Amino acid sequence: EAQVTQNPRYLITVTGKKLTVTCSQNMNHEYMSWYRQDPGLGLRQIYYSMNVEVTDKGDVPEGYKVSRKEKRNFPLILESPSPNQTSLYFCASSLTTGGYEQYFGPGTRLTVT
Amino acid sequence: QKEVEQDPGPLSVPEGAIVSLNCTYSNSAFQYFMWYRQYSRKGPELLMYTYSSGNKEDGRFTAQVDKSSKYISLFIRDSQPSDSATYLCAMRPILTGGGNKLTFGTGTQLKVEL
Repeated sequence: EAQVTQNPRYLITVTGKKLTVTCSQNMNHEYMSWYRQDPGLGLRQIYYSMNVEVTDKGDVPEGYKVSRKEKRNFPLILESPSPNQTSLYFCASSLTTGGYEQYFGPGTRLTVT
Repeated sequence: QKEVEQDPGPLSVPEGAIVSLNCTYSNSAFQYFMWYRQYSRKGPELLMYTYSSGNKEDGRFTAQVDKSSKYISLFIRDSQPSDSATYLCAMRPILTGGGNKLTFGTGTQLKVEL
């Protein structure tokens, strides 16, 4: 089944404790992206990647890191999480950079206390 | 002012009603217009997309784009309880420096009641 998977689905952590949210797609998509979804603000892009080893900042990159060493994986790293990073995170992918359809993962709900 | 404005609802309608969901936008460069549906505790999934202006129909769903008014709509005919979800509009220019970055509305929560 074609899909985007994320792990973990739920995470509660404390301020400053480094964490990684994994994202993997099995559709051989070139483009991958991370969004956060907050009430009243909608979905905002954090980082994106147009291909292996090619990443760039989105609208809200502060406090996050990413890497793309393999085409299928695009982990999101929070090196020192803070409470304002409490949010619902989505990974998405599309076949090409110019493709209009993005496939979203199921989401990771992160709480930082 | 946000680039894309969407009424958050919630919108509650009886089964069988015609539903109209709308977004307005300010960036005249937007050319691709999409509607995503997001069920509770799930990721958004693409419902419909339209390029530039005009209408597009798919079963019970019709998407309309009026670029002169910077206004897009999604109509749902014969609404069903299974249509209960949050509907997100999204849009982007033809070419973006930021790859395939979509600008999303905040979503409208729809509930279709029996």
